[in-house]
Amino acid sequence: DAKTTQPNSMESNEEEPVHLPCNHSTISGTDYIHWYRQLPSQGPEYVIHGLTSNVNNRMASLAIAEDRKSSTLILHRATLRDAAVYYCILRDFGNEKLTFGTGTRLTIIP
Amino acid sequence: DTAVSQTPKYLVTQMGNDKSIKCEQNLGHDTMYWYKQDSKKFLKIMFSYNNKELIINETVPNRFSPKSPDKAHLNLHINSLELGDSAVYFCASSQVVSEGSYGYTFGSGTRLTVV
Repeated sequence: DAKTTQPNSMESNEEEPVHLPCNHSTISGTDYIHWYRQLPSQGPEYVIHGLTSNVNNRMASLAIAEDRKSSTLILHRATLRDAAVYYCILRDFGNEKLTFGTGTRLTIIP
Repeated sequence: DTAVSQTPKYLVTQMGNDKSIKCEQNLGHDTMYWYKQDSKKFLKIMFSYNNKELIINETVPNRFSPKSPDKAHLNLHINSLELGDSAVYFCASSQVVSEGSYGYTFGSGTRLTVV
């Protein structure tokens, strides 16, 4: 799986938008961009995924650069419950293996 | 209804013992996994099974033996436990759909402490 680079940690104020960046300069044409998060003392949970176009779901939005070498996970209005480690993962189509990096630890300030 | 359930949630045992962790999923997924999260919080895949068949074995010591009696269950048996086996073990499942594999579901983890 291609490598991703994320900041080790970020802070954001409650009720403000959060933009979590991810660089993946060696992404291949068949790599999907997945985001997972791990809340304290829980297993990772799926957030969103995309290939080329921006994606929205009830949890977040995913903005993918035109050259696909970077992406941004957007939490539109952060709550304290969003404090977690967020993982950006590249996954080749048909490859079910998830390879986790070190992720970004997001702290929400009340 | 818990989608992926693991038991036990906590397991404290002595070095040299043999222990098992059980996992069940009620999502109808074909593929199940075991992941290990060490003290540095690094998550690493150990095994994956698809329809009871071993697909991935990531250079895990032979003391670890997964068993899948059916596609809804994947258990992990560990022989001769060592201090370094202390970690949180996560079970997960997934289903391949179009547009790339869509969404793993993880269990809440089993914290294994070897003393």
